[in-house]
Amino acid sequence: NAGVTQTPKFRVLKTGQSMTLLCAQDMNHEYMYWYRQDPGMGLRLIHYSVGEGTTAKGEVPDGYNVSRLKKQNFLLGLESAAPSQTSVYFCASSRDPRGPSNQPQHFGDGTRLSIL
Amino acid sequence: GIQVEQSPPDLILQEGANSTLRCNFSDSVNNLQWFHQNPWGQLINLFYIPSGTKQNGRLSATTVATERYSLLYISSSQTTDSGVYFCAVEAPGNTGKLIFGQGTTLQVKP
Repeated sequence: NAGVTQTPKFRVLKTGQSMTLLCAQDMNHEYMYWYRQDPGMGLRLIHYSVGEGTTAKGEVPDGYNVSRLKKQNFLLGLESAAPSQTSVYFCASSRDPRGPSNQPQHFGDGTRLSIL
Repeated sequence: GIQVEQSPPDLILQEGANSTLRCNFSDSVNNLQWFHQNPWGQLINLFYIPSGTKQNGRLSATTVATERYSLLYISSSQTTDSGVYFCAVEAPGNTGKLIFGQGTTLQVKP
């Protein structure tokens, strides 16, 4: 049981390049999330999805797009990377929080992204 | 939006000492989680604790939802406890969105 898997683990981009980060979960979770973590700070929500085919904006969505074509995958895209997007990106998944109690979010190991 | 404040921001302990980390939040929340971010950057779930008290080995947590705070207790600390401890709350609305505090950085010295 792999849980939440993020690829790639590291990436260096030049300003203006595009890329896609992949998150895959094998727990049949409905909800998935993308967060970013900047130095000395907690995580901030970028986008999230409450089910296959749905996406919604979080706290810091500008400059990012997401897609949830399959229940187990949640993709985060940077169309034109900027140095301000240098960060560590975490994906998480959970069961429906409206369900029975104890619906914690499970996190991947993160993707360290540098934009030069 | 909901504000989450953690204290202290930094903590240095001698191995074997006990400590208490605090998380205050500014409004009612659906749930609260404590995480440990290890030196490799991985986020480890410690507790899912919207209210009450839970214990797991040397760690325990208490959330008093009516007074909007949670405490994480670490007893007999070990060097492997070093890292950053985050508190995160889920805002009302059943979207599962977590709002994180700034974290407490713990260093346990041998």
